[in-house]
Amino acid sequence: KQEVTQIPAALSVPEGENLVLNCSFTDSAIYNLQWFRQDPGKGLTSLLLIQSSQREQTSGRLNASLDKSSGRSTLYIAASQPGDSATYLCAADSGGSNYKLTFGKGTLLTVNP
Amino acid sequence: EPEVTQTPSHQVTQMGQEVILRCVPISNHLYFYWYRQILGQKVEFLVSFYNNEISEKSEIFDDQFSVERPDGSNFTLKIRSTKLEDSAMYFCASRMTGWDDTGELFFGEGSRLTVL
Repeated sequence: KQEVTQIPAALSVPEGENLVLNCSFTDSAIYNLQWFRQDPGKGLTSLLLIQSSQREQTSGRLNASLDKSSGRSTLYIAASQPGDSATYLCAADSGGSNYKLTFGKGTLLTVNP
Repeated sequence: EPEVTQTPSHQVTQMGQEVILRCVPISNHLYFYWYRQILGQKVEFLVSFYNNEISEKSEIFDDQFSVERPDGSNFTLKIRSTKLEDSAMYFCASRMTGWDDTGELFFGEGSRLTVL
């Protein structure tokens, strides 16, 4: 059974800092890994998806990497801004016939002006 | 840009009442899902639906829950007799699948259910 863990649970940084959020998963046989953003009381916004054959994906100031062999993914946020404050979730897709996602609990990021 | 839409955004109900949450997935998608998130906890898989039938369900998805795609566009989650512990945000999701499928799951904004 896939288990996804995210550390740290919470992170507070000053504006402009570069930061890394970590995600680990127990079953390396994943189809892909997705990173989401969730604002308080809101839905899930997809940020990046890394397919199992890829090592990283970039979108603007965000870069996500994937190391299947070690069961790890990182989300790198460059030059953080107060608007980046949110909970960041990673989710592993174990493929198979149903492609369901297993989520981590998230990292609550606060970027202070 | 196509999106998954959910209604209602918030529903308050009394314990024991039936609730139906509605979703309109992206039109050319083939797999449909319900997930839920109890306040402060992880997003959890409830059920997947493909080809007009349940393809997988979690242990949470007991006999009180059912899903339906009544008209080819809507995808509904019914809770027959709500309990206090059903209070959560319920997310609908869909994905395309196929030869050009990236595997991306698209989520709706969620329906917050409060059971009193």
